[in-house]
Amino acid sequence: DGGITQSPKYLFRKEGQNVTLSCEQNLNHDAMYWYRQDPGQGLRLIYYSQIVNDFQKGDIAEGYSVSREKKESFPLTVTSAQKNPTAFYLCASSLDSDPNEKLFFGSGTQLSVL
Amino acid sequence: AQSVAQPEDQVNVAEGNPLTVKCTYSVSGNPYLFWYVQYPNRGLQFLLKYITGDNLVKGSYGFEAEFNKSQTSFHLKKPSALVSDSALYFCAVRDKGTYKYIFGTGTRLKVLA
Repeated sequence: DGGITQSPKYLFRKEGQNVTLSCEQNLNHDAMYWYRQDPGQGLRLIYYSQIVNDFQKGDIAEGYSVSREKKESFPLTVTSAQKNPTAFYLCASSLDSDPNEKLFFGSGTQLSVL
Repeated sequence: AQSVAQPEDQVNVAEGNPLTVKCTYSVSGNPYLFWYVQYPNRGLQFLLKYITGDNLVKGSYGFEAEFNKSQTSFHLKKPSALVSDSALYFCAVRDKGTYKYIFGTGTRLKVLA
């Protein structure tokens, strides 16, 4: 069954701790994205990657880091520099960078601060 | 800069009545416009898109959207609402230069039985 898998579903971060959110896709998509969702603010782009070993900052990249070592995987690390990390994080992918292509989303990870 | 606006935080409609969820956009050139739906604690699901051609676009679950270039709008519509349509709806535009998606703030649709 093809799709995007995000884990864990819920994650708790202690102050000063880095945490990593997993995103794996078996759709053979080239492009992958990380969004942050806060109530009333819609989705904001953190990072995106159009190809393996390459990624670009989105609109709110500060305090986050990513890697794209494999086509299937695009993990997001929320570092201790991100002072307000509580949010719902969504990973997405698309077939390629053609603007005609729709996004496929994972089920999300809810990150909370202890 | 490209942007989309969803002027209503929430829309309430009675089951069986027609529904409209509004979206306006600001882009340079011809827009690539999308609607997505989000159910509680889930990711977004694609509903429909406008790239070019017919101004009335049909999508999943009986939804359709009307592209209006003069009013820069892309409103989502359904002739007869179902309780199960209750969800959060997002309008989005895709930036042709960077391939980034720009999302609106979302509209919560509540269909009342």
